[in-house]
Amino acid sequence: NAGVTQTPKFRVLKTGQSMTLLCAQDMNHEYMYWYRQDPGMGLRLIHYSVGEGTTAKGEVPDGYNVSRLKKQNFLLGLESAAPSQTSVYFCASSRRTSDGTDTQYFGPGTRLTVL
Amino acid sequence: AQTVTQSQPEMSVQEAETVTLSCTYDTSENNYYLFWYKQPPSRQMILVIRQEAYKQQNATENRFSVNFQKAAKSFSLKISDSQLGDTAMYFCASLGFQKLVFGTGTRLLVSP
Repeated sequence: NAGVTQTPKFRVLKTGQSMTLLCAQDMNHEYMYWYRQDPGMGLRLIHYSVGEGTTAKGEVPDGYNVSRLKKQNFLLGLESAAPSQTSVYFCASSRRTSDGTDTQYFGPGTRLTVL
Repeated sequence: AQTVTQSQPEMSVQEAETVTLSCTYDTSENNYYLFWYKQPPSRQMILVIRQEAYKQQNATENRFSVNFQKAAKSFSLKISDSQLGDTAMYFCASLGFQKLVFGTGTRLLVSP
């Protein structure tokens, strides 16, 4: 099992450009998440999905869009990148449980720089 | 709403010694879980240990153990027999219904 993988590992964008980050998991998890990590801060939730075709906003959703067309994939899009979106992005996944909580497993991260 | 506070930005310990990292949290959830994640220089987020709030017994994983004080909303991590490979950022996190909230992290340096 590869677990949670992210593509690409690094990317440099110019202000105003768009891009999509891909997250894939092979653990058959129902829940998937996108976080960003900035210096001196913990991870903050951008968007999440509790199943194929469903998405929801997290703590810092502005400037991002997501899609979950397949259970194993969760895409994070930046339509018009801004320097404030320079960060390390992590994807995570977890099983669905009766109380909605379970351990999240993380991908290796994507370092994005917006010039 | 959930909050997680780690008041120690940096800690140092010598190899083979014991170190304790502090974490306090606040949550309105009745059913929640607490975690410690390790982030080495490789950036990978690695699960260290997990504690179910409804369990009174403190979780242990080899050299890692927690001191879970539910009434005080405290969740500290003890690392015994520290090893050079334990050098990393350590994040405390609280998981309520679908939402995982992280603290700001403690950077641990293990020296020979």
